[in-house]
Amino acid sequence: GENVEQHPSTLSVQEGDSAVIKCTYSDSASNYFPWYKQELGKGPQLIIDIRSNVGEKKDQRIAVTLNKTAKHFSLHITETQPEDSAVYFCAAILPGGTSYGKLTFGQGTILTVHP
Amino acid sequence: GAGVSQSPSNKVTEKGKDVELRCDPISGHTALYWYRQRLGQGLEFLIYFQGNSAPDKSGLPSDRFSAERTGESVSTLTIQRTQQEDSAVYLCASSTPPTNEKLFFGSGTQLSVL
Repeated sequence: GENVEQHPSTLSVQEGDSAVIKCTYSDSASNYFPWYKQELGKGPQLIIDIRSNVGEKKDQRIAVTLNKTAKHFSLHITETQPEDSAVYFCAAILPGGTSYGKLTFGQGTILTVHP
Repeated sequence: GAGVSQSPSNKVTEKGKDVELRCDPISGHTALYWYRQRLGQGLEFLIYFQGNSAPDKSGLPSDRFSAERTGESVSTLTIQRTQQEDSAVYLCASSTPPTNEKLFFGSGTQLSVL
C-alpha cells in the first residue's frame, strides 16, 4: 500500500518568516495530494491540493509543489502569521482510490508561529 | 447542515463495554468516511460509504468494529468490547461528486477506554 512520510514533526518560526513542510510518498500511481490544517479541538480542514499533472499551485500565501520523479511534495507558507499555528497533514490518494477520499496521511507537523 | 456534526464530542468508557459514535454529514453529501487519529499520529482510514453501502471497509482493524449508514445520511460507528488501544479520536468526513476526494471533516469524538 501507500506510505507517506512527513517532515519535520515540529517547526517553529517567527512571524513573517516562511515555513516549508515536506512529504514523500511511496507509490508512483498516487495522483492527488491534499494538505490539511488541524487546529486544536477541530477536525482537519483542506487548505490546498495538487494533482499529479501539475507541478505547482498557489493560493495567496500558501503554495504546494510536486516532484513526481522524486515522489515528494511540499507545502510553502509565506509571511507566516500567529493564526497559521496548527498541525498540518499531507496526504496521498491510495491506488485505486482516485474516485473517493481514501487518503493515506503523513504523521503531521506542528507549526508554531511566534509573534 | 452547515458542516459535519459528530456526537458525542467526548466518550469515556470502561474496557469491555460497547460504544456507538454518531456522524451527521453535510446535507446532500453522498460519500461518508470514518478515520481514526491516534495521539500524535496521522489519520487512518477505516471505512467508506457511498449512499448506504460500504464498498470499502478495508481499514476496520478488527471484527469488533462495525459501521452502518441509513437514509444516505447519518452513520454510526460501533466498537464492541472496547480495548485500551481503541482510545483515539474518531473523525467522520463527507464528500460529494465531482470532487469526492475533497473531504470535509467533523470535529471528531475523543474516545478514552479506561
